[in-house]
Amino acid sequence: SQTIHQWPATLVQPVGSPLSLECTVEGTSNPNLYWYRQAAGRGLQLLFYSVGIGQISSEVPQNLSASRPQDRQFILSSKKLLLSDSGFYLCAWSIQRTTDTQYFGPGTRLTVL
Amino acid sequence: QKEVEQDPGPLSVPEGAIVSLNCTYSNSAFQYFMWYRQYSRKGPELLMYTYSSGNKEDGRFTAQVDKSSKYISLFIRDSQPSDSATYLCAIVGAGSYQLTFGKGTKLSVIP
Repeated sequence: SQTIHQWPATLVQPVGSPLSLECTVEGTSNPNLYWYRQAAGRGLQLLFYSVGIGQISSEVPQNLSASRPQDRQFILSSKKLLLSDSGFYLCAWSIQRTTDTQYFGPGTRLTVL
Repeated sequence: QKEVEQDPGPLSVPEGAIVSLNCTYSNSAFQYFMWYRQYSRKGPELLMYTYSSGNKEDGRFTAQVDKSSKYISLFIRDSQPSDSATYLCAIVGAGSYQLTFGKGTKLSVIP
């Protein structure tokens, strides 16, 4: 069976500090990978998705970036965090086909102070 | 008009009640419909997935899609306190990677 991991689970960072969130998927090969942010009252916002190693598509311009150094590893980064980056960050995967269901990880709760 | 509208609630029902959760959407290109359940401080988990008009049943859960009205519903029978969570509808068009989510309805089932 497939498993998706995210870490850390919780993070408190000062404004202007860097960020690195990691997501890994087990039990499947060549998945589509996604980063979402969930802010209170605003629903789930797709930030990035990737269909393969080194292939990243950005949905929303911002001070965040994503990388996929390995087939089942997806990293969300920032050089300098803003207060508005606070939120619940979710990684998801789907099989290598469009319109398929996405399966979410446990999430990372980020608070920027 | 937003692409997917979902009443945020909160919705509070007694244990054993039938719950109806709904979403409306504006884009007729949407063809695939999902319901996710999200417990507090957890990631969403997939409950139901359907792509055709009509009903799909799975245990106590029934997903209903009416493409002509652009309206989808999730019914929960014999609701339990463990059903207390936020329910998100998600919709996607053919050939698209991007799910469009409703904002979620927070449900509380009172023992």
